[in-house]
Amino acid sequence: ETGVTQTPRHLVMGMTNKKSLKCEQHLGHNAMYWYKQSAKKPLELMFVYNFKEQTENNSVPSRFSPECPNSSHLFLHLHTLQPEDSALYLCASSQGLTGQPQHFGDGTRLSIL
Amino acid sequence: GENVEQHPSTLSVQEGDSAVIKCTYSDSASNYFPWYKQELGKGPQLIIDIRSNVGEKKDQRIAVTLNKTAKHFSLHITETQPEDSAVYFCAASRANAGGTSYGKLTFGQGTILTVHP
Repeated sequence: ETGVTQTPRHLVMGMTNKKSLKCEQHLGHNAMYWYKQSAKKPLELMFVYNFKEQTENNSVPSRFSPECPNSSHLFLHLHTLQPEDSALYLCASSQGLTGQPQHFGDGTRLSIL
Repeated sequence: GENVEQHPSTLSVQEGDSAVIKCTYSDSASNYFPWYKQELGKGPQLIIDIRSNVGEKKDQRIAVTLNKTAKHFSLHITETQPEDSAVYFCAASRANAGGTSYGKLTFGQGTILTVHP
């Protein structure tokens, strides 16, 4: 148990579907992150939230839309995705943004048909 | 921006041997270096980290060394066991002393470690 829970663990969707990924952290952290992990590539940071405010959007296409209603919950809304978006999407949290260890969930394995 | 190179990409050892994974970084201002272990079907888990004010840190069979001059840091696993088999990632970030800048973690490409019984 990492303290960061992601649902669903697996998701298969068509390119025209709309779905959402959910992340919840029980560590009392104030910063939350979305990463994309593709085969044979380093982890790619997508979004950063600190105290519910988005502090970084790493040039992510608009078909990915994050939402952070409070410091414990983070969503990633998906719409009109492409096959190259198939990947493992990881959520992480940390106590503070600078020089603090990030704690990861087990990810959502997303497959786009 | 920061660039982190990790080597080797795959490493195969016999149980009981030592394993060493090396990373180099480009930003001399980076001062926080965590290591993560990712098992199949799981997310990365922090196993050890080091800050630039120390040169070495140990936790049981795991140690990390840092050479700021050469801008490289290494993970050492002694007395390896089959359960050490996983993908290992290094990362680097710059922690602003005032806490006002975001210390983005830049990850290496990962090392697949296999420990044979």
